[in-house]
Amino acid sequence: DIQLTQSPSFLSASVGDRVTITCRTSQDINNDLVWYQQRPGKAPKLLIYAASILQSGVPSRFSGSGSGTEFTLTLSSLQPEDFAIYHCQQFKSLPLTFGGGTKVEIK
Amino acid sequence: EVQLVDSGGGLVQPGGSLRLSCAASGTTLRDHHMDWVRQAPGKGLEWVGRIRDTAEGSITDYAASVKGRFTVSRDDAKNSLYLQMNSLKTEDTAVYYCARRSCRSGITNCFSDYWGQGTLVTVSS
Repeated sequence: DIQLTQSPSFLSASVGDRVTITCRTSQDINNDLVWYQQRPGKAPKLLIYAASILQSGVPSRFSGSGSGTEFTLTLSSLQPEDFAIYHCQQFKSLPLTFGGGTKVEIK
Repeated sequence: EVQLVDSGGGLVQPGGSLRLSCAASGTTLRDHHMDWVRQAPGKGLEWVGRIRDTAEGSITDYAASVKGRFTVSRDDAKNSLYLQMNSLKTEDTAVYYCARRSCRSGITNCFSDYWGQGTLVTVSS
């Protein structure tokens, strides 16, 4: 199974801050990585796929990069609605696996 | 507009069974791989299993933790997805989501673009 390690698991930030979340995989997955946002009590929402392609309707302050085994999700200027949990997922091979999540809270 | 509605969760005793449903509108489930993903209270996301689209023979795949106990199926006439859960354990307690898979190109660069709202399964005596 491909293991995904997200860091940090928790971060505290202010509105307007630039935030970066990292996802490392135990095997080379090319660019088959997806990022989701999950607000409390809600289902995950697709943000980015193929490591760097922004899903339609997602604000441009979100961006993704990386390939191989190291990936990043960047929020260029944190907005109040961005405080949530962020998950990475690999679609390279079964079983599909997720990172442990990164909770972004208001400082 | 694509909509997936999860239902069927509830309280069940260890060793019991439950069937979850995912009703779809605005999309044809047989044309997509469909996944079940769960989230234990306060924990991360865990892939449970999937049914492939009809082009891939509607083959099912499962996580090791549920293989032999859970079964994913689809009713094309009702455009609905199901998760039959047998021999339930306390560690199966979670919110269960169905999710539709789409791909950027062929079978690569895939992602879950639509999710149900989730249904809570509690396994407890």
